[in-house]
Amino acid sequence: GIQVEQSPPDLILQEGANSTLRCNFSDSVNNLQWFHQNPWGQLINLFYIPSGTKQNGRLSATTVATERYSLLYISSSQTTDSGVYFCAVEGVMETSGSRLTFGEGTQLTVNP
Amino acid sequence: EPEVTQTPSHQVTQMGQEVILRCVPISNHLYFYWYRQILGQKVEFLVSFYNNEISEKSEIFDDQFSVERPDGSNFTLKIRSTKLEDSAMYFCASSVVWGRSYEQYFGPGTRLTVT
Repeated sequence: GIQVEQSPPDLILQEGANSTLRCNFSDSVNNLQWFHQNPWGQLINLFYIPSGTKQNGRLSATTVATERYSLLYISSSQTTDSGVYFCAVEGVMETSGSRLTFGEGTQLTVNP
Repeated sequence: EPEVTQTPSHQVTQMGQEVILRCVPISNHLYFYWYRQILGQKVEFLVSFYNNEISEKSEIFDDQFSVERPDGSNFTLKIRSTKLEDSAMYFCASSVVWGRSYEQYFGPGTRLTVT
């Protein structure tokens, strides 16, 4: 199946700093989503972005499908941005079922 | 904004007991999924469901697990005889259309603790 690698695994920032999280995937994708898992364990949809660029407030994401990677940008980080960020993909070659394959996540800690 | 809901938020059960986790997908969605996340690990796919039947299941989804859409709104995951290693957060998700390039929306999860 498709492989998903996220980097860095851990990131510690001071409030106000900017950051870039990366997601590499091993095959062409139909679907790519970014999630934020908050301290209560909930998965919050951030972006549905199989290709192109999107922005939502301080967050933006870019997927370069031909080069098999996606980037999540967080600007002017706040303590509430802390948590784990997951990238999840559905590979084109998946036979059926539309399963999302998740990466291991990036643990972000934003200090005041 | 419509959202996926799950009940209960937390369930504690004894090893060997049966549990049923419930989900209400977004009302116009047709495709349903269960995922699980063992504490500290990544989220893993369990099963997808469409038109009242399983579309795909992972190697985790063995005979202990079953899914059902008992009425027009609920989607359930049953674990017949729970084991300690079933302790995890279980997420339900739904999407409008089958697979190709459509977003999956996740519920808040049910944290299952098996003692």
